[in-house]
Amino acid sequence: AQSVTQPDIHITVSEGASLELRCNYSYGATPYLFWYVQSPGQGLQLLLKYFSGDTLVQGIKGFEAEFKRSQSSFNLRKPSVHWSDAAEYFCAVAGGGADGLTFGKGTHLIIQP
Amino acid sequence: DGGITQSPKYLFRKEGQNVTLSCEQNLNHDAMYWYRQDPGQGLRLIYYSQIVNDFQKGDIAEGYSVSREKKESFPLTVTSAQKNPTAFYLCASRDRALVGPQHFGDGTRLSIL
Repeated sequence: AQSVTQPDIHITVSEGASLELRCNYSYGATPYLFWYVQSPGQGLQLLLKYFSGDTLVQGIKGFEAEFKRSQSSFNLRKPSVHWSDAAEYFCAVAGGGADGLTFGKGTHLIIQP
Repeated sequence: DGGITQSPKYLFRKEGQNVTLSCEQNLNHDAMYWYRQDPGQGLRLIYYSQIVNDFQKGDIAEGYSVSREKKESFPLTVTSAQKNPTAFYLCASRDRALVGPQHFGDGTRLSIL
């Protein structure tokens, strides 16, 4: 069965600093990978996805992620964070038996002024 | 614009009562999903439906029931058998013909009085 690990429960970053959120997956075949963001009390919004091709994918709000098969990773990055980026971030992999997504437990991003 | 509507946003239940959470989508998606979200737990799949009049249990289906009489609607009933129903519930949908991301509603927060 596939799984997703987000090693960091909380991350604190100063406004304007760079950001990297880690995601490791376990899946037997070529994974379909996603990053979602969730603001408090809201649903999930898709930031970006990787299906195939270029391993560096661009998303909305200035985010990007890099797929590294050798490391089973799909880390999310942003060169300069804004206070509005404070939220919960979820990494997910598709292709499970439920025909749906398997999510990591999330990383809570705190932005310091 | 197409999307997923969940109602109500907040719901309160007395112990021993059943309550039904509404989920409606106008995206013309075949597949629909219900997730439960608890702090620090990520999203866990309750039920999913790939087509009208068909649905399957997810990872934590005990104490829940669903129906899928129309393509647009996938209501979730939290029964009195669910011992710890206080949580944030998210509905999602996906175009089953594609491997793609799921689209999420804004969630319903259920609390026990």
